Amino acid sequence: EVQLVESGGDLIQPGGSLRLSCVASGFAVSDTYMNWVRQAPGKGLEWVSVIYSDGSTHYADSVKGRFTISRDNSKNTLYFQMNSLRAEDTAVYYCARGGTLLWGQGTLVTVSS
Amino acid sequence: DIQMTQSPSTLSASVGDRVTITCRASQSVSKWLAWYQQKPGKAPKLLIYKASSLESGVPSRFRGSGSGTEFTLTISSLQPDDVATYYCQEYNSYSWTFGLGTRVEIK
Repeated sequence: EVQLVESGGDLIQPGGSLRLSCVASGFAVSDTYMNWVRQAPGKGLEWVSVIYSDGSTHYADSVKGRFTISRDNSKNTLYFQMNSLRAEDTAVYYCARGGTLLWGQGTLVTVSS
Repeated sequence: DIQMTQSPSTLSASVGDRVTITCRASQSVSKWLAWYQQKPGKAPKLLIYKASSLESGVPSRFRGSGSGTEFTLTISSLQPDDVATYYCQEYNSYSWTFGLGTRVEIK
């Protein structure tokens, strides 16, 4: 079955770090471009990052310098390292495949003291 | 960056009505436009991709049209299960942009 499964969301204090994972099944994450999209409580969808098949990456200004997208081809897994977390980073984080669109079910990150 | 203007923000219609949601891009996105349905507490569900292609398993009452900068999602006969928020998304650029959403309610 072709699917994406995220994990790693948690309650974390401001300034803390967290790593999200997204395991892909049925296709190779290295063959396409993969994204992270987030949705703050009661708000709309916001694209935050992409990694292309050649390894190049892009970030939204709101997370640039704090978050890092990466992948492990051997584990067919996408990662999102989030550092210096702020209250405004609180959201459900979705991984999503580009091209032939596919989304995971999301994982909740709550930044609060 | 591409801006996506979605309208209306809220829509109230009767069961069986034809419903139309519009999305306008600030520059051409060719055919790279998707529509999603999202219910509370759930992930967005892909309805339409490449502007007019129906995702497998999605009822045929959902129809997408348009290209370039003007796009439309039409529900031919609104059903109670269609109560949700709908989002358009361009995926022509490396930084996807979403519309602000349209909340669809039953009158």
